[in-house]
Amino acid sequence: DIEMTQSPDSLAVSLGERATINCKSSQTLLYSVNNHNYLAWFQQKPGHPPKLLIYWASTRESGVPDRFSGSGSGTDFTLTISSLQAEDVAVYYCQQYLSQVRTFGQGTKVEIK
Amino acid sequence: QVQLQESGPGIVKPSETLSLTCKVSGDSFGYYSWTWLRQTPGKTLEWIGYIIYTGTAIYNPSLGSRVTLSIDTSNNEFSLDMQAATAADTAVYYCAREGNYLDRWGQGILVTVSS
Repeated sequence: DIEMTQSPDSLAVSLGERATINCKSSQTLLYSVNNHNYLAWFQQKPGHPPKLLIYWASTRESGVPDRFSGSGSGTDFTLTISSLQAEDVAVYYCQQYLSQVRTFGQGTKVEIK
Repeated sequence: QVQLQESGPGIVKPSETLSLTCKVSGDSFGYYSWTWLRQTPGKTLEWIGYIIYTGTAIYNPSLGSRVTLSIDTSNNEFSLDMQAATAADTAVYYCAREGNYLDRWGQGILVTVSS
């Protein structure tokens, strides 16, 4: 299985400041045939299912605010919240969908400082 | 807008079969993979497997041969059976739709394995 490791496990950021979450995969997620990185980011709030934010590593899902952005390629990826809002308090997960067995990172909890 | 809704017993006895169903509304089965996942009390997300409209299913090898997925296209639902349940199977179970990525999820159902 492809192992996904996120860092940090938690972070506290002031309102309006930038939050950055990293995700590293044990194998490349870049598929050379189509040049796509098979990496998604999810946001999960208590009592709710994960919500898709980003797919193909950097494509924002419809309706997701543009303060959320994804970057990276190969094995190293980043989710950035450019200006943290109170409603962004949540746990964030990365997930790979390149291999037949999908795997998730352990999650990063984002709080307000 | 597609909606997915899990249903099934909230409590299962150890060694019995955990059975859940996901009802899909507002979508066609033909274009997607239909997926089961679970989230343990420690919040780890685990992919269980997916099934497509032909009935072909792919499973997470970590669950061995305990899992069987089935699909009923006439009723727009798909199901999960997990045999020989143990306390380690206690989790919130989600069904989800996957094109290439998991873009729609059900609300989840908590299943507790306990006598």
